Amino acid sequence: DADVTQTPRNRITKTGKRIMLECSQTKGHDRMYWYRQDPGLGLRLIYYSFDVKDINKGEISDGYSVSRQAQAKFSLSLESAIPNQTALYFCATGTMNTGELFFGEGSRLTVL
Amino acid sequence: GQNIDQPTEMTATEGAIVQINCTYQTSGFNGLFWYQQHAGEAPTFLSYNVLDGLEEKGRFSSFLSRSKGYSYLLLKELQMKDSASYLCAVRDADSGAGSYQLTFGKGTKLSVIP
Repeated sequence: DADVTQTPRNRITKTGKRIMLECSQTKGHDRMYWYRQDPGLGLRLIYYSFDVKDINKGEISDGYSVSRQAQAKFSLSLESAIPNQTALYFCATGTMNTGELFFGEGSRLTVL
Repeated sequence: GQNIDQPTEMTATEGAIVQINCTYQTSGFNGLFWYQQHAGEAPTFLSYNVLDGLEEKGRFSSFLSRSKGYSYLLLKELQMKDSASYLCAVRDADSGAGSYQLTFGKGTKLSVIP
């Protein structure tokens, strides 16, 4: 089983719908991150959390919200999806000591 | 903020050596990472440099020059399975409570041909 699990892996939705992407981890890491990846733009940070009571905005947080329900769970919500949020979304975990990130397998979201 | 540049695409021949460069301009620096990402898959960690010099790990080596804001990833004895995107990422300085952040370059797509 993967250490960092994302659900769903693929989702097609319509403009205006609310979407939640979920991430869970078994690595015991305190830090969790949501990135989106677009062709030609690379990985960009949406939100990150250092523990259950800590939530921080990243580079491109507008239109997104997150919830850290437990140390092992970090979900990303799109309250009202729009087509330019079509992208590949990655959850990642890490620790302060090493800085190395461990990524989930990605969630491909298409907004029509 | 961070500005990270790396070539968009490269092509190399199986069995050869290829060097992928990364330059960065940052307001703070606390390490440089290289990740490998096969098409449609998650990025996976390759290497980490925080001090100047060369770090070798099997067929892969990574070099860092902090004064020049420059790093490269060297891949030796290329194999077809090395066809992937290679992402350079810079960790910024601690802005408090260990709040390091990783900023990624746009990635270099490497194609290995027979």
